[in-house]
Amino acid sequence: AQSVTQLGSHVSVSEGALVLLRCNYSSSVPPYLFWYVQYPNQGLQLLLKYTTGATLVKGINGFEAEFKKSETSFHLTKPSAHMSDAAEYFCAVSERVGGYQKVTFGTGTKLQVIP
Amino acid sequence: DAGVIQSPRHEVTEMGQEVTLRCKPISGHNSLFWYRQTMMRGLELLIYFNNNVPIDDSGMPEDRFSAKMPNASFSTLKIQPSEPRDSAVYFCASSKTGTGDSGELFFGEGSRLTVL
Repeated sequence: AQSVTQLGSHVSVSEGALVLLRCNYSSSVPPYLFWYVQYPNQGLQLLLKYTTGATLVKGINGFEAEFKKSETSFHLTKPSAHMSDAAEYFCAVSERVGGYQKVTFGTGTKLQVIP
Repeated sequence: DAGVIQSPRHEVTEMGQEVTLRCKPISGHNSLFWYRQTMMRGLELLIYFNNNVPIDDSGMPEDRFSAKMPNASFSTLKIQPSEPRDSAVYFCASSKTGTGDSGELFFGEGSRLTVL
């Protein structure tokens, strides 16, 4: 069975500092991996995804993530945090189960950006 | 293009009342998911429909919860009778499922349910 672990339920960074949100996964087959962002009182929206090919994936708003198979990790980074990045971020893994792509979400990491 | 549309956005009801949440998926998407989000349990998958047929309802908490998808453009999640512990944000998500699909989900803005 697949699972996702996000290290740190809350992360605080200063505006302009590096953002690093950690995600480790377990999967019995090569997975598809996702990062979603949730702003207050809104639904989740896709930031980026890894399916196949290049292991460094670029997403919206300057975020990127690198798939490292040997470490079973898919950490999310952004070189310089902006106040508008304050939100909750969810890592997710998808694998085929019973004929459909079953998506399992991590518990989320709330990012606080300090001015 | 219209995204996933959920209604109501907010619902406050009293214990024992029936609650019906509604969802219109993105046109052309053939898979629909209902999730529940709480502080304690995070995001939980309640039920998954493919081509209007319930495929996986193992996440439905108990018999008080039921979900239907009478056609490709409409789904409901019903709670009867409601209890305070059902208070949560309920999300509907849709996706286009087929060969080679990745499982990318498109979420609605959620229905925030408060049961007093």
